[in-house]
Parts: sequence; C-alpha cells; structure tokens
Amino acid sequence: KNEVEQSPQNLTAQEGEFITINCSYSVGISALHWLQQHPGGGIVSLFMLSSGKKKHGRLIATINIQEKHSSLHITASHPRDSAVYICAASGAGSYQLTFGKGTKLSVIP
Amino acid sequence: GAGVSQTPSNKVTEKGKYVELRCDPISGHTALYWYRQSLGQGPEFLIYFQGTGAADDSGLPNDRFFAVRPEGSVSTLKIQRTERGDSAVYLCASSLTVGVLETQYFGPGTRLLVL
Repeated sequence: KNEVEQSPQNLTAQEGEFITINCSYSVGISALHWLQQHPGGGIVSLFMLSSGKKKHGRLIATINIQEKHSSLHITASHPRDSAVYICAASGAGSYQLTFGKGTKLSVIP
Repeated sequence: GAGVSQTPSNKVTEKGKYVELRCDPISGHTALYWYRQSLGQGPEFLIYFQGTGAADDSGLPNDRFFAVRPEGSVSTLKIQRTERGDSAVYLCASSLTVGVLETQYFGPGTRLLVL
C-alpha cells in the first residue's frame, strides 16, 4: 500500500511570502494530485501531474518521479490562500487515491 | 452547471441505526467515488463506480458498508448498524470518465455523527 506523507503539518506565513509544501510517497504512482480544502469541507482539485512541472497563476506543482517527491509552491501568498492543502497519489494501474493528511496553511496579513 | 451535490449535509444518528447518504454527480460523469474523512485526517478511499458497477470496493471497511448506483447517476452509500467510529465526513466525487489524469470534482460532503 502506498504511504503518502506531507510536510509541514501546519504552516503560518506572512502575506507575500513564498510557500512550499512537500509530499513524498512510498511506491510508484501513475499520477499525483494536489487538492485544496477550505473550512467547511469543500475540496477543489488544483493539479494533477505525472511528471515535470505545472503552473496555474501563483501556484506551481513539481514532481520528481525518481525521488518519489512532489512540491506545491505558492508565490506572493495572500490570506485567501489559507486552507488545507492535500496531496494524493493514484497507484500504478489503479484509480484509487491515497491521500496525505494535509498541510494547514494560514497566511497572515 | 451544477456541481456534485450531497444530501443530507449533516446527519446525526444513534448507535445501531441505519443511514443512507446520497450523492448526485455532475450530469454526464460516468465515474463516481466515495471517500471518508475523519477529523484531522486526509480523505480515505471507500469505493468507486464506473457506470452502474462498483469497479473497486476495496476501501469499504467492513460489510456494514454498501453502496449502489443503479442507474449510473445518483449513488447511495448505506451504513448498517452504525458505530461511533463511523462518525466522519463522507465525501463524494465524480469525474467525466475513469482515468489517472481525470479531474475529480468533489461534493461538499455529509457530516455524519453517531451518538
């Protein structure tokens, strides 16, 4: 079974700071997902990637398949970025997602 | 268009009772997924459907849990003889089709509390 670990568990940043959230997984995957969960439970898919790097606005996701590691970066952070960020991996040949526990981000004005 | 909806939004029940949780996926989405999220944890996979059939139910914790999707659209997660440990947020998601790079669209969840 794939184990998905995220760090840090909690992160507090000042508005404008560059933020990095890390995700590592234990076995080979077919895709890595980054999700955002706001208070109240709503989950939004941010990225899916199987290699390289993707960018959307101020968000950047990278993955290193050899090192079984992915990072989510937020540039010029803003209080509205405050949420829980979750990474999830789908195993090779499986559509089942294994989730990390999430990183709670608080951006202070 | 409408997103994924789930009803009820909150459910309080007593230990030993039967509950049904409903998920309405986005129209036209053939894949539907159920997850469970306990407090302070990431979601945990329960089951997914491709059309009407359960393609993978390996995440269901025991035989008290069962899910159906008889017409390939709405799905119902059924929990028999509820236990306090079943208390969690039950999340539903749908995607246009099954694929490792298919975006899953999540519903708001049903918060289940078993007293």
